[in-house]
Amino acid sequence: GAVVSQHPSRVICKSGTSVKIECRSLDFQATTMFWYRQFPKKSLMLMATSNEGSKATYEQGVEKDKFLINHASLTLSTLTVTSAHPEDSSFYICSAPTPQFYEQYFGPGTRLTVT
Amino acid sequence: AQSVTQLDSHVSVSEGTPVLLRCNYSSSYSPSLFWYVQHPNKGLQLLLKYTSAATLVKGINGFEAEFKKSETSFHLTKPSAHMSDAAEYFCVVSYGSGNTGKLIFGQGTTLQVKP
Repeated sequence: GAVVSQHPSRVICKSGTSVKIECRSLDFQATTMFWYRQFPKKSLMLMATSNEGSKATYEQGVEKDKFLINHASLTLSTLTVTSAHPEDSSFYICSAPTPQFYEQYFGPGTRLTVT
Repeated sequence: AQSVTQLDSHVSVSEGTPVLLRCNYSSSYSPSLFWYVQHPNKGLQLLLKYTSAATLVKGINGFEAEFKKSETSFHLTKPSAHMSDAAEYFCVVSYGSGNTGKLIFGQGTTLQVKP
């Protein structure tokens, strides 16, 4: 089946710094990708839709200036957490649907810890 | 608006006994419904999906779910639990009309399988 990768799998950063997380679709092209956040013992919350060649669309309550999304190519979307704070510590997961959104594949997630 | 409620945060069964994970949904549109499984340190995996075809949906690893519109339910079942089934399970509903690819996740149910 299709594979979506994320890099890094875990990252620890200091408060105030920025962190970039990559999401790649390895064997199919994805004009759209999605970014989710998962708190411990909690569900996944959709943060934003990443659109290749255009601006990302953010869900209500998600700060677009804090969570910068760039969909640089048909196989790569990046999420940059800017000026990270401890409350940004979380598990970030991306997903990529195949054309016509027939199937959707999830990355393995990135564990972000802000100290 | 769409929402999904998983009625049990934790389910414990003995190996070889049936599994029932309960899910109720709310949707203004004809919903697409999914069950995903999340094993520790692994990406979300699709177990099965309902997209307005047969109401009894068979998935991977012996799981199945029945869409009951009158009860707004989409419960996940398996006749005989295996130790490898221990994981976090999410009931998911598609977001909005049409095929946007956006998903709304339930709170998750932790399935524990005892030997």
